Amino acid sequence: GQQVMQIPQYQHVQEGEDFTTYCNSSTTLSNIQWYKQRPGGHPVFLIQLVKSGEVKKQKRLTFQFGEAKKNSSLHITATQTTDVGTYFCAGRGYQLIWGAGTKLIIKP
Amino acid sequence: NAGVTQTPKFRILKIGQSMTLQCTQDMNHNYMYWYRQDPGMGLKLIYYSVGAGITDKGEVPNGYNVSRSTTEDFPLRLELAAPSQTSVYFCASSYGQQGNTIYFGEGSWLTVV
Repeated sequence: GQQVMQIPQYQHVQEGEDFTTYCNSSTTLSNIQWYKQRPGGHPVFLIQLVKSGEVKKQKRLTFQFGEAKKNSSLHITATQTTDVGTYFCAGRGYQLIWGAGTKLIIKP
Repeated sequence: NAGVTQTPKFRILKIGQSMTLQCTQDMNHNYMYWYRQDPGMGLKLIYYSVGAGITDKGEVPNGYNVSRSTTEDFPLRLELAAPSQTSVYFCASSYGQQGNTIYFGEGSWLTVV
């Protein structure tokens, strides 16, 4: 069946370093969404990518959708403490499949 | 704007007890969902509904039941609670399915002892 693999599971960074999470789908997606979940909170929608090769930016966050529409990435430049949380991708094939999430941890 | 409201926020159940998690949304969304999230894990779809009177199983439906008598409400029933059902439960809704934002409730923390 359709699967969405998200890596890494965790990423520890120093504040100010960059962070990247990747999602790979076993099937071609019609679109992919990204969500952020703060510790103890609920997932909150960040963005949706629809077009092949699409790149969207939100301040320090850059989202990419692969040319084959089977992979996507989220890159955060110069992380801040407010970025802490778990980032999920959700890929739309014949149904919406969620990645397992990447937890961003800022080293003290 | 209330959005998606779910109750209770916290609940402790004994093995074998039953309970209902309530969920209501005021955005006139036709799609509603129930997810569970185990500690440190991703979201697993339990049940979903595409409109009043229509429900369907998701990835992990066993041990749960739902109903959708109105557009606004989508309660989740746990029958004969088991420790494996200890989790955080999120109700969510969206307008349509394809490519539309999913709005989540704040979650219900359930512990079965």
